[in-house]
Amino acid sequence: AQSVTQPDIHITVSEGASLELRCNYSYGATPYLFWYVQSPGQGLQLLLKYFSGDTLVQGIKGFEAEFKRSQSSFNLRKPSVHWSDAAEYFCAVGGNTGKLIFGQGTTLQVKP
Amino acid sequence: DTAVSQTPKYLVTQMGNDKSIKCEQNLGHDTMYWYKQDSKKFLKIMFSYNNKELIINETVPNRFSPKSPDKAHLNLHINSLELGDSAVYFCASSQADRTGELFFGEGSRLTVL
Repeated sequence: AQSVTQPDIHITVSEGASLELRCNYSYGATPYLFWYVQSPGQGLQLLLKYFSGDTLVQGIKGFEAEFKRSQSSFNLRKPSVHWSDAAEYFCAVGGNTGKLIFGQGTTLQVKP
Repeated sequence: DTAVSQTPKYLVTQMGNDKSIKCEQNLGHDTMYWYKQDSKKFLKIMFSYNNKELIINETVPNRFSPKSPDKAHLNLHINSLELGDSAVYFCASSQADRTGELFFGEGSRLTVL
């Protein structure tokens, strides 16, 4: 079955601290992997994507993610979190049809 | 200019009513989608259109009917609304060769009383 698991429903970090959001997936074919961010009352915005090639991908807003095929993971990282990073983060997996399977999301809270 | 715009942003209605949500994109994309986000934040695809042709139709009740008059517009009509239809409905678009790189609208929050 195709699925995405984000084990952490809610994470709180202090501003300036590093961040890692976890994502594990199950997908029968070669996965396309994505991280999206949703600010309150807004739509989702693409942070970064992995299709193939270098397993460490860079995205917008200083985020990066690493694809680890052996662990079926695609964790999102940021070295220093800013208060404006507080939002909902969604990991997603898909193929070439445009149909994405989303995880349940991780709510990031940033303490001053 | 908003890239993907949906109207209305909020919709409150009674059970049994019929309602529509409209979506327009000015990105020149070929593919448009409807996603549903429930109260637990789960996002699930409902429909996908490519150049006005339906290509993804998930297990969605027949009460939901998408319509794409042209590739820049994808509307969602819902008949006989039920309490369980309460959710946030997101429209999105993508270029056909960049599937998965979706541009989302701000969502339409539907509340059925």
